This record gives sequence, C-alpha cells and structure tokens, in this order.
Amino acid sequence: NAGVTQTPKFRVLKTGQSMTLLCAQDMNHEYMYWYRQDPGMGLRLIHYSVGEGTTAKGEVPDGYNVSRLKKQNFLLGLESAAPSQTSVYFCASSPWALTGSRRVDEQYFGPGTRLTVT
Amino acid sequence: AQSVTQPDIHITVSEGASLELRCNYSYGATPYLFWYVQSPGQGLQLLLKYFSGDTLVQGIKGFEAEFKRSQSSFNLRKPSVHWSDAAEYFCAVGARNTDKLIFGTGTRLQVFP
Repeated sequence: NAGVTQTPKFRVLKTGQSMTLLCAQDMNHEYMYWYRQDPGMGLRLIHYSVGEGTTAKGEVPDGYNVSRLKKQNFLLGLESAAPSQTSVYFCASSPWALTGSRRVDEQYFGPGTRLTVT
Repeated sequence: AQSVTQPDIHITVSEGASLELRCNYSYGATPYLFWYVQSPGQGLQLLLKYFSGDTLVQGIKGFEAEFKRSQSSFNLRKPSVHWSDAAEYFCAVGARNTDKLIFGTGTRLQVFP
C-alpha cells in the first residue's frame, strides 16, 4: 500500500515551458487536492476534486489546470510556467466520510514535488 | 470568512521542556479540527483530529490537543519535547458538508539539546 505518490520529485523548468505533475493514490479515496507551499504562506489550495471526472477551483487556481479521468489519479498542469510558480507542490487525498455525508476527513499527503522555474 | 490563525511563526524550546502551540479559528459551523506535522523535506502527517465528543484529544508521538469552543481554539500540547519533534506544525479546520480544509500558516518548532 503505497498511499499517495507524486511524480516527479524535482523539476526545473524554463519560463514558458509546460509540464504535468502526477498524483496517484491507492486508497480508493474520493477526494483529491493539489496544494502549493511557499515560505511563510502555509498551504494554499490550487484545485481539488470530489470524485472521478470532477474538478473545482481552490484559492490560487490561476495558471494551473487539473484533470481527474481516473479515480486514483489527479493531474496538475502548468501550461506556461512562470517564476512565480516556483514552489513545493503537494497532493493529498481524503476518504468520503463514514456517515456518507460530504464531510472532510483526514487528508493523506504525498511527499511533494519541488518545482523551480527560471 | 473562515480562517485559521497560528500566532507563533517560530518557537524554540529546550529538549525535555513542555510545549504548547496555539491555533485559533473562525468558522460559522461546528468545526472539525486537525493538527499535522511536517518534517523537513517531507509531506504532512496527521497528529490528531477532533470531530466531536471529548474535547481533549490524544494523538500520535505523545501529542494532545484541547478544543475550547468559547475561545475558538485548538491548542497542541506535549509535556516533554524530544529533539525529533523539531518540525513545522499546521493546524487545519473543516466542517460538515464542506469539501476542503483550511490550513494555518504553520509554526516552526526548534528544539535545543
């Protein structure tokens, strides 16, 4: 049981290049999230998904796109990278609440991807 | 608006000393509260969570937290800190029928021998 995995672990991009970050979870969780972490700013939610085929914007969605074609995978895309997107990106997943209501439960985090845009 | 405040950006304690990390929240509904720990270069790991019931919650690694509704607080405590507790700690809040957690900006804990 690998939990939440992220690919790649490190990446350096030039301004204007594109890339996709892959998040995979093997816990059959409904919810998945993408965050970015910057010094002094904590975790900021980029996009999230409440189930296969769904996506929604978070706090800082500009410059990013996401897709959830399969329940276990959540992709984060940068179409044209900018230096302001230099950050550490974390993916997380969370189960549907036991009661069946849409209530958030513990989020399980991946190890992160360190992205530098020059 | 919903928010989580961790007033202390950086705390330094001696090994063996007690620890309290503060977390205050602003949330209209009954909150669900979490504390996470992040070691350098790692992802976040859940320490403990509160949904309802006993307001004193026990977690992993000897941590506990107390929910005080009247003070809108969920402070994290440990009676005796170990050098391995040096990390960043995040408080988070959610609620019934919401899909997201709101995270605080974190408190970095430094432990001196």
